[in-house]
Amino acid sequence: AQSVTQPDIHITVSEGASLELRCNYSYGATPYLFWYVQSPGQGLQLLLKYFSGDTLVQGIKGFEAEFKRSQSSFNLRKPSVHWSDAAEYFCAVGSYNNNDMRFGAGTRLTVKP
Amino acid sequence: GAVVSQHPSRVICKSGTSVKIECRSLDFQATTMFWYRQFPKQSLMLMATSNEGSKATYEQGVEKDKFLINHASLTLSTLTVTSAHPEDSSFYICSAKGGGGLNTEAFFGQGTRLTVV
Repeated sequence: AQSVTQPDIHITVSEGASLELRCNYSYGATPYLFWYVQSPGQGLQLLLKYFSGDTLVQGIKGFEAEFKRSQSSFNLRKPSVHWSDAAEYFCAVGSYNNNDMRFGAGTRLTVKP
Repeated sequence: GAVVSQHPSRVICKSGTSVKIECRSLDFQATTMFWYRQFPKQSLMLMATSNEGSKATYEQGVEKDKFLINHASLTLSTLTVTSAHPEDSSFYICSAKGGGGLNTEAFFGQGTRLTVV
């Protein structure tokens, strides 16, 4: 069965510092991987996705993620965090038709001034 | 990206009553819609998947008679929580995707905060 693990429940970084959020997945076939961001009381916004091709994918808001098959990881990075990036971040894995998308537990990001 | 509108954003209902949540795709035809439930500070749990014109497929442990899902058109799916109880209080989120084969993205609604008193 597919699953997603986000090892860090909560991360605090200073504004301007770099960020890396970890995501590990378990999936029997070719994984389709996603990162979403959720602000309090809101739905989810897609940051980026990986289906195939270049393993380093660029997303919105300056985020990027790298797919590493050997490590079953899809970590999210941003070189310089802004205060507005404070939110909950979810990694998800699914099949090509997304009908069985599974989410990780989420990582809450706090940004210090 | 495409827009999915969820209504209402917040609802308070009395225990024992039913409440309906709507999920609309505003600018595309949603062949498949998904309903999720999110407990405070937790992840999204898939409740059910519905395809337009077909019965919804429920995840294990989700009571289909309690959480009625209707996907009667390509732009609207509804989730009705019947005989709601306080333990049904949660954040419910829908997502929708169109046809189109590979790489079809699912778009999320803004969520509905249900409080049962």
